[in-house]
Amino acid sequence: GDSVTQMEGPVTLSEEAFLTINCTYTATGYPSLFWYVQYPGEGLQLLLKATKADDKGSNKGFEATYRKETTSFHLEKGSVQVSDSAVYFCALSVASGGYNKLIFGAGTRLAVHP
Amino acid sequence: DGGITQSPKYLFRKEGQNVTLSCEQNLNHDAMYWYRQDPGQGLRLIYYSQIVNDFQKGDIAEGYSVSREKKESFPLTVTSAQKNPTAFYLCASSIARRGGSTQPQHFGDGTRLSIL
Repeated sequence: GDSVTQMEGPVTLSEEAFLTINCTYTATGYPSLFWYVQYPGEGLQLLLKATKADDKGSNKGFEATYRKETTSFHLEKGSVQVSDSAVYFCALSVASGGYNKLIFGAGTRLAVHP
Repeated sequence: DGGITQSPKYLFRKEGQNVTLSCEQNLNHDAMYWYRQDPGQGLRLIYYSQIVNDFQKGDIAEGYSVSREKKESFPLTVTSAQKNPTAFYLCASSIARRGGSTQPQHFGDGTRLSIL
């Protein structure tokens, strides 16, 4: 079945370090891919998305490229800030029975220290 | 601003009691969803609804019930049959159309349910 696998956290970085959070997926069909971010005590916010192979999603300095050949959608940021500390979820969406079914990874907690 | 409002933010349930979590959206979305989030885990789908007066079970529907009498509202009832209800509950909505897998879901800020 369809699934998403993320690297386990927590990921602990110093401010201005480079960030990579790995995400790979298994899906039949042609999924859309998303990264969501969850700040403490809040719901999920869409960070970026990509809808087809080789698309690059980007937002707030974060980027991820839809790699169909490696079934991956790794999240990257060149220089993290303390305010980026949150839990990051990779997700895929497939059309299922007329609605877009969203399947989440387990989440990766990022802690950025000054 | 358009968005999704969940209430209350914190909720406590006594043994044998049913409780209802509210979810309201003003995004004019047809589809609405309820997820459960447990510590260190991803989100699991409880119920979803694509249109008023219609809803479907998700992956973990046992012990929960929903209604969809209005487009804007999708309340979730956690019944006494749900033996492990302590979790963070998230409501979401999205545009619903065939081939709509490119459309993201928008989330509320969640309700944290605990057992007294």
